[in-house]
Amino acid sequence: KAGVTQTPRYLIKTRGQQVTLSCSPISGHRSVSWYQQTPGQGLQFLFEYFSETQRNKGNFPGRFSGRQFSNSRSEMNVSTLELGDSALYLCASSLTGVTEKLFFGSGTQLSVL
Amino acid sequence: GEDVEQSLFLSVREGDSSVINCTYTDSSSTYLYWYKQEPGAGLQLLTYIFSNMDMKQDQRLTVLLNKKDKHLSLRIADTQTGDSAIYFCAESKGGATNKLIFGTGTLLAVQP
Repeated sequence: KAGVTQTPRYLIKTRGQQVTLSCSPISGHRSVSWYQQTPGQGLQFLFEYFSETQRNKGNFPGRFSGRQFSNSRSEMNVSTLELGDSALYLCASSLTGVTEKLFFGSGTQLSVL
Repeated sequence: GEDVEQSLFLSVREGDSSVINCTYTDSSSTYLYWYKQEPGAGLQLLTYIFSNMDMKQDQRLTVLLNKKDKHLSLRIADTQTGDSAIYFCAESKGGATNKLIFGTGTLLAVQP
C-alpha cells in the first residue's frame, strides 16, 4: 500500500507569489491534516480536513488555506508569500479522523526568496 | 497551555540504552505519541500510549507515562546507529481531531 504522497518535493518561489501544495493520503484514509515545520517554531498544526470539510484550523493567517476533494486528496495554498513562509510542509492522513494513528508524507520543502 | 518540552540533544554509544524525555502541560491530553524524523524525511510514527496507561512496550521501545508529573519517556534498548534521528513527542486530546501538539524534538546521536 502506498504511503502519503506529497508533491512537489521542493519548491522555490519569490515574495508575493502564491503556491499550491498537493497531498494524496493513503488509500482508504479520509482525514488529511497539514503541519508546518521550521527551525524556529518547530512543528505547528495548520488545518485538517475530513470528508471534504475543514474540521480544525491552527493559528495561521488567512493567506494559508486548504481544501479536500471527494477522493480525499488535499491541497493547501499560500498566497502573497513572505520570507517567513519558508518551511517544510508536512501532510498526514488517518483512516477515520481519530488521532490514534497518523501517517506523514515526506513533505514539501518551500523556499521563499 | 500547549507547550511540550524536550531536551535538545542526546548522545549514546551503540548497544547502550537511550532514554528521551518529554514534559507536557495539558492534563486533558488523551493520546501521547513518539515520532522519529530522519534527515530529509517526514515523520515516522514509532509508538503511542493512551493516557490511562502507565507503560507500553513494543520490541526495543518502552514508553513510560507519569500522568501526575505530565512526564513521558521513550527508552530505546540496544541503540543502533540507524536510530540516529530527531525524536518528537506529541500530545492530542483525542476524539475527532488530528491536531497534535509537538515537542521541540530531541536529536539522538549514536556513536559507533
